[in-house]
Amino acid sequence: DAGVIQSPRHEVTEMGQEVTLRCKPISGHDYLFWYRQTMMRGLELLIYFNNNVPIDDSGMPEDRFSAKMPNASFSTLKIQPSEPRDSAVYFCASRPLVVNTEAFFGQGTRLTVV
Amino acid sequence: SQQGEEDPQALSIQEGENATMNCSYKTSINNLQWYRQNSGRGLVHLILIRSNEREKHSGRLRVTLDTSKKSSSLLITASRAADTASYFCATSNAGGTSYGKLTFGQGTILTVHP
Repeated sequence: DAGVIQSPRHEVTEMGQEVTLRCKPISGHDYLFWYRQTMMRGLELLIYFNNNVPIDDSGMPEDRFSAKMPNASFSTLKIQPSEPRDSAVYFCASRPLVVNTEAFFGQGTRLTVV
Repeated sequence: SQQGEEDPQALSIQEGENATMNCSYKTSINNLQWYRQNSGRGLVHLILIRSNEREKHSGRLRVTLDTSKKSSSLLITASRAADTASYFCATSNAGGTSYGKLTFGQGTILTVHP
């Protein structure tokens, strides 16, 4: 397996534009996590899914953020409209259903909103 | 929200010395994990310790877990310049509606001088 794949790797957009980040988890993994990393706030969990169902979205900063997982092999994180304070590195991670297993991270998407 | 707190925030040592990082958490957990992140890259899993374990070893890594104090430590022995990175602890929630939730501490930046 190629691991967790995120796209794009880098995104520069203007304030007010819609941004969509994509993630392909490892095949067979049941959990999918979206994180945001900034210097100020560290690594924040935004939302996670189990079997394509959102379990906890309490970390989603506001209504401008939304996440979907239409099937087991694809998830999106959308920001609409984007703001400069959304600039960060966004990571996706997946892991199997068995609880005592590690999570595997993608390489992240570096988002810059100007 | 961040589950764990780590200390120190930054650690600078000479090659060959040992490095110890600590992590505290708040909720009931299934396991605690340690990850490493090189600058600008995704996180890589190092070691997982289950809630019923007290100590675990992997190569030059030693992890301890004290569930009564809700704390863990990571010891890297005989450090090398290549160990320079950020190190994060992460906890997997044990129960309730957020079962399986994986949240990270703020991390420790380790610098090993040749």
